[in-house]
Amino acid sequence: DVKVTQSSRYLVKRTGEKVFLECVQDMDHENMFWYRQDPGLGLRLIYFSYDVKMKEKGDIPEGYSVSREKKERFSLILESASTNQTSMYLCASSPGQLQETQYFGPGTRLLVL
Amino acid sequence: GENVEQHPSTLSVQEGDSAVIKCTYSDSASNYFPWYKQELGKGPQLIIDIRSNVGEKKDQRIAVTLNKTAKHFSLHITETQPEDSAVYFCAATPRGKLQFGAGTQVVVTP
Repeated sequence: DVKVTQSSRYLVKRTGEKVFLECVQDMDHENMFWYRQDPGLGLRLIYFSYDVKMKEKGDIPEGYSVSREKKERFSLILESASTNQTSMYLCASSPGQLQETQYFGPGTRLLVL
Repeated sequence: GENVEQHPSTLSVQEGDSAVIKCTYSDSASNYFPWYKQELGKGPQLIIDIRSNVGEKKDQRIAVTLNKTAKHFSLHITETQPEDSAVYFCAATPRGKLQFGAGTQVVVTP
């Protein structure tokens, strides 16, 4: 079974803090993704990576950055957390083609105070 | 812009009845249409998908239909059971990446 794990299920941070969300997949997938999920808006793509050290902006990259130093690990960074970044963050991975099944982690619910 | 619209946002059905969720998309280049189910406290999981060269696909109690001309696709769940209660997301693939609908909360009442 494909397993995508996220470092935290719940996180509380203060405005202005630097926040790291970690994601690890164990299936040697090429592609990894970060989404945020908000009620009524579905899942919106923040960033994705199709190879180590490669990244591309998604639909809502502002206020975020990412890092992929190893194939199995994809990190989402909030440089200076703001209250409008309070959300559920979902990581996903998929094999070679972009239009293949994406496997999601359980999500990290982030609250920024 | 590139949009995926999903209706209804909530759906309450009696156990044993059918449920239908509809999605429309705007980018005619989309050619892959997956459906994901998200149970409480979990990440979304693929339940069925369809590609643009196929009009319908079935997997036991779930089926998906695609009308490329009209740019809409639908999920059909027959003989609903309590474990079908979840949030369902459709997605299309404008520019090769998944674009999700807003989701449908399905509640199956005994």
